[in-house]
Amino acid sequence: EVQLVQSGAEVKKPGTTVKISCKVSGHTFTDYHMHWIQQAPGKGLDWMGLVDPHDGETIYAEKFQDRVTFTADTSTDTAYMELNSLMSDDTAVYYCATVSSGSYVGSFDYWGQGTLVTVSS
Amino acid sequence: DIQMTQSPSSLSASVGDRVTITCQASQDISNDLNWYQQKAGKAPKLLISDASTLETGVPSRFSGSGSGTDFTFTISGLQPEDIATYYCQQYDNLSPSLTFGGGTKVELK
Repeated sequence: EVQLVQSGAEVKKPGTTVKISCKVSGHTFTDYHMHWIQQAPGKGLDWMGLVDPHDGETIYAEKFQDRVTFTADTSTDTAYMELNSLMSDDTAVYYCATVSSGSYVGSFDYWGQGTLVTVSS
Repeated sequence: DIQMTQSPSSLSASVGDRVTITCQASQDISNDLNWYQQKAGKAPKLLISDASTLETGVPSRFSGSGSGTDFTFTISGLQPEDIATYYCQQYDNLSPSLTFGGGTKVELK
């Protein structure tokens, strides 16, 4: 069974950095691109981009590209999302998700449980 | 970037009703369109891929159709467990990029 297990909720002050993890089990970590999706409270889903765990290639959505970094650690089958210069608007649930077809994009078959990040002074 | 316009943003229906949600793409996306169900406090769940392919284990009352720029998602007989927010999502392997529609919140009347 494929599982994506994310790290726990975070409370951060404005201007700081948050780093969220997503540990994969049940499939070969390097075979599938890992995506990150933001969902602000009461709002819709916003795609942030992806990382290819095989070679570390990243693609960032324009909205996030200046402040976000995706990495992947193949020794622990864990993907990371780091968001810096946090603002109150970054308060959201962040999901990791995979496209199991092997393509860059497609349908998200597997999702993490989500990590709530609260930015507050 | 391809924009997805989803409507309505919310709807209220009775058990057994037929529910229809539409998504319109800002340009031709062939059938590169998926539908998700998100229940409160949970991650989204893939229901339909490639515009009309029902995922394994998803009840047959859910269906999708369309291609090009106009897509439809239907629940043919709303059940209490279908109360959720539904999202369309397009993907573009050329860019590559993807976009979600704004969501439709389905409530019981």
